Amino acid sequence: KAGVTQTPRYLIKTRGQQVTLSCSPISGHRSVSWYQQTPGQGLQFLFEYFSETQRNKGNFPGRFSGRQFSNSRSEMNVSTLELGDSALYLCASSLAWGNTEAFFGQGTRLTVV
Amino acid sequence: DQQVKQNSPSLSVQEGRISILNCDYTNSMFDYFLWYKKYPAEGPTFLISISSIKDKNEDGRFTVFLNKSAKHLSLHIVPSQPGDSAVYFCAASEGGGADGLTFGKGTHLIIQP
Repeated sequence: KAGVTQTPRYLIKTRGQQVTLSCSPISGHRSVSWYQQTPGQGLQFLFEYFSETQRNKGNFPGRFSGRQFSNSRSEMNVSTLELGDSALYLCASSLAWGNTEAFFGQGTRLTVV
Repeated sequence: DQQVKQNSPSLSVQEGRISILNCDYTNSMFDYFLWYKKYPAEGPTFLISISSIKDKNEDGRFTVFLNKSAKHLSLHIVPSQPGDSAVYFCAASEGGGADGLTFGKGTHLIIQP
């Protein structure tokens, strides 16, 4: 069974641009969560999608948004990029929303210059 | 305000001995706890979880203990092996996945030969 797939693995963008990251969950998993990892803040929850609806949202500005498609694949978008958005963005999939184990992808390393 | 704390940034243990990683939390609403292991340039890998209705869960060499009154959990690895060298994250969530997973900042475990 394939794991969580995130594309692209690496990305370099310029300040002010926007970026879209993609996540394909494990087959059969319907919940997708996104996390940001930085050296200073560690792993921080961005948002979670289940059945194409955002169920939870972390404490991030509105420049961070996401969506989920009917096949459970998810995308997250960051607009008006800032240098501080440079981070590893991790996607995790779970069977369902709630207290189930989350399985992570390898992440997308975003560098904003 | 950090709701999940891993106070030891690093821990060095001799191969074959027991590794004990600790985690404290402040949010009494957390009722599900997980441990993840992370190698550089990879996403976190799920290790073991425990529900608040239990005080111990065991899976092979890994055992997680939960002390609800102290708001403390620990991960025991016995015996420690070189491949266990990684960063270990403690994570917690509330019932229904209200706010996704809240992670600690991690403990870097180094297994020495």
